[in-house]
Amino acid sequence: GNSVTQMEGPVTLSEEAFLTINCTYTATGYPSLFWYVQYPGEGLQLLLKATKADDKGSNKGFEATYRKETTSFHLEKGSVQVSDSAVYFCALPWDRYGGSQGNLIFGKGTKLSVKP
Amino acid sequence: SQTIHQWPATLVQPVGSPLSLECTVEGTSNPNLYWYRQAAGRGLQLLFYSVGIGQISSEVPQNLSASRPQDRQFILSSKKLLLSDSGFYLCAWSGYRVRNYEQYFGPGTRLTVT
Repeated sequence: GNSVTQMEGPVTLSEEAFLTINCTYTATGYPSLFWYVQYPGEGLQLLLKATKADDKGSNKGFEATYRKETTSFHLEKGSVQVSDSAVYFCALPWDRYGGSQGNLIFGKGTKLSVKP
Repeated sequence: SQTIHQWPATLVQPVGSPLSLECTVEGTSNPNLYWYRQAAGRGLQLLFYSVGIGQISSEVPQNLSASRPQDRQFILSSKKLLLSDSGFYLCAWSGYRVRNYEQYFGPGTRLTVT
């Protein structure tokens, strides 16, 4: 079945620094890929997605490119803000039963802290 | 637009007491529904999912159970809570048989078992 590996944190950056959070996956075929963000005390929010190889998902200044050659979907932001402090999860479909249940598998999460 | 609600937002319960957490979705029909648990500082653990009324699949053996009495209502229950049941419980939904697998999460319930 599909699996995802996400870099472990925590990651601490100064405001305006460049951010990269690594995510690699193994999958059957070319499934959609997702990044979710969880702000303190809240549920997860879909941050961005890519539905096919070479797609770039983007939102709120964050970007991630679906790289089938390296089976990666790294999250990047050129200049982080204090308000970006959160936990970030990489995810892809869980292909256990052919995917009809719509289940996702999530990475373990990377906690980002941005200092002013 | 679709919205998802969870209640209560926080709950403190003694060991051995029962539990009922509720999740409802508005603005969509026939959603797939999910219960996750997030222990402190840990990732997400899928507990249950449901593709329709009365259809529940369990991913982890435990003393929790789930029910789906209505199309857009998902309930997480326990007859006797354990200390290890403490955590942040998240409900999520996805569109019926959608191919892109996007899931949308509720605000969560913080459960502390004392």
